[in-house]
Amino acid sequence: AQSVTQPDIHITVSEGASLELRCNYSYGATPYLFWYVQSPGQGLQLLLKYFSGDTLVQGIKGFEAEFKRSQSSFNLRKPSVHWSDAAEYFCAVVKGNLIFGKGTKLSVKP
Amino acid sequence: NAGVTQTPKFRILKIGQSMTLQCAQDMNHNYMYWYRQDPGMGLKLIYYSVGAGITDKGEVPNGYNVSRSTTEDFPLRLELAAPSQTSVYFCASSSPRGGPSEQYFGPGTRLTVT
Repeated sequence: AQSVTQPDIHITVSEGASLELRCNYSYGATPYLFWYVQSPGQGLQLLLKYFSGDTLVQGIKGFEAEFKRSQSSFNLRKPSVHWSDAAEYFCAVVKGNLIFGKGTKLSVKP
Repeated sequence: NAGVTQTPKFRILKIGQSMTLQCAQDMNHNYMYWYRQDPGMGLKLIYYSVGAGITDKGEVPNGYNVSRSTTEDFPLRLELAAPSQTSVYFCASSSPRGGPSEQYFGPGTRLTVT
């Protein structure tokens, strides 16, 4: 059974618009959750992580994510998207090892 | 710190050839990983290591081998390359002292098998 689901394969937003990327996980225990970003031709860079505590976590580059146990979700948000945010975004959960979602590609319109 | 480095960046292999993908980290991390990334599939774990001399299989280990003789290096070996091994390979490392921690990724090796 897939542990991490990213329902949106590709999202396009206009520069300056808000962004929300969805992530749902299936894991019985308290999950350890991550968001990574991959720019074209690059490796993965950690945006933010959730282990415990405050369910709203702040990351780099102005991103934040909210852990909602009742919805088994860990959605990534940014209030105002910049053209440089165009990349692929991966949600991941620790289940023994790190399990990645299939990714959401973000395109930004000028 | 250079972080996680991988060589080569690109490689084309013929079917049946062998090669070693190199990975090194200078962060003194005890855990290291190899992933492959195929379009639309996310990252799949091939092998991982929790320390020098200790390796274990991940989700997709068939056709690959690894060794870990030092803390810094974690090479991935392809013995008989097949077209199904065409992919982008990422090495990562982490240091989960007493709990989970983020993984640091290398820039990747793009491998084509024809």
